[in-house]
Amino acid sequence: ETGVTQTPRHLVMGMTNKKSLKCEQHLGHNAMYWYKQSAKKPLELMFVYSLEERVENNSVPSRFSPECPNSSHLFLHLHTLQPEDSALYLCASSQDLISGANVLTFGAGSRLTVL
Amino acid sequence: GENVEQHPSTLSVQEGDSAVIKCTYSDSASNYFPWYKQELGKGPQLIIDIRSNVGEKKDQRIAVTLNKTAKHFSLHITETQPEDSAVYFCAAALMYSGGGADGLTFGKGTHLIIQP
Repeated sequence: ETGVTQTPRHLVMGMTNKKSLKCEQHLGHNAMYWYKQSAKKPLELMFVYSLEERVENNSVPSRFSPECPNSSHLFLHLHTLQPEDSALYLCASSQDLISGANVLTFGAGSRLTVL
Repeated sequence: GENVEQHPSTLSVQEGDSAVIKCTYSDSASNYFPWYKQELGKGPQLIIDIRSNVGEKKDQRIAVTLNKTAKHFSLHITETQPEDSAVYFCAAALMYSGGGADGLTFGKGTHLIIQP
């Protein structure tokens, strides 16, 4: 257990469904991230939150909607996804963005399959 | 922006032999180079990192070397063991002297297989 917990671990959804991925960190970190991991591709940074404010949005389609209600929780709301969105979605946290101590702690990921 | 190339994509070695994974980066300003290990069913975990003010760093059986001139860095694992089997990712970032860093750019990963 790394201190970053993701649920659900596996999710299968149709293209018209609405679902959410949840991430919780118990490390007292101030920065949280969503990454997309697809086969044979580098990890793709999707969103960055620092102290609950979104600081980066890497041209992610609007069918992905992040939410950070507090520094311990991060959600990724999904709606009208496409089959190519099937991937492992990784949540990560770090102490903060400004200390230079950017060691990322990852969760185990949520494996998403879009039918 | 930064681009990180990682080779090989798959590496199979006999238990006890050494394994070397290589990465190149494009942005000469990058100065922080971590390596992450991802075991099956788990998220990536940091195993070692190096900053550009040093050329080599070791931690037991793992070492990382950095050649700033050539813009490449490598992960070396000696006396490999079955538990070393995993996917390894290199990454690069610019870390500012006053604190703060741009986001990590990851390589595509290397699937390391340790043959018994």
